[in-house]
Amino acid sequence: NAGVTQTPKFRVLKTGQSMTLLCAQDMNHEYMYWYRQDPGMGLRLIHYSVGEGTTAKGEVPDGYNVSRLKKQNFLLGLESAAPSQTSVYFCASSSERTTDTQYFGPGTRLTVL
Amino acid sequence: GNSVTQMEGPVTLSEEAFLTINCTYTATGYPSLFWYVQYPGEGLQLLLKATKADDKGSNKGFEATYRKETTSFHLEKGSVQVSDSAVYFCALSDYKLSFGAGTTVTVRA
Repeated sequence: NAGVTQTPKFRVLKTGQSMTLLCAQDMNHEYMYWYRQDPGMGLRLIHYSVGEGTTAKGEVPDGYNVSRLKKQNFLLGLESAAPSQTSVYFCASSSERTTDTQYFGPGTRLTVL
Repeated sequence: GNSVTQMEGPVTLSEEAFLTINCTYTATGYPSLFWYVQYPGEGLQLLLKATKADDKGSNKGFEATYRKETTSFHLEKGSVQVSDSAVYFCALSDYKLSFGAGTTVTVRA
């Protein structure tokens, strides 16, 4: 099992450009999440999904969109990147129960110039 | 809303020293509590968890006890190694994880 994978690992964008981050999991998990990690702030939830075809906003959703067309994939889109979106982005997945572990991908380091 | 407050770092220790990282939480209901660890250049991985009051989670020599009366979940290890150098995150879960800011631990040989 590969677990949770993320593509790409690194990316540099110019302000105003768009991009999509791809997350894939092979554990048949229902829940998937996108977080951003910034120094001194821990991880903050951007969006999440409780199943195929569903998405919901987290703590910091502005400037991002997501889609969950297939159960194993969760896409994070930036329509018009801003320097404030420079961060490390992590995807995670878990089964339904809140007591269950979340499994994280290796992260995508995004720099917006 | 739910929140987690953990001891700020960085923390620097010598090998075989005792490590404690304090974590307190605010939550409605009865959340599950977690410690995640992030090694340099990697994603987070679960270190240990506890799902109800008085539960003790343990793994790799680390321990933490879910204390409802003090709303705490402090992480401890009796004798750290260089390989324990990492960032440690306390988190609580109701329908999603809420993370503390993370504590960077460096262990010197």
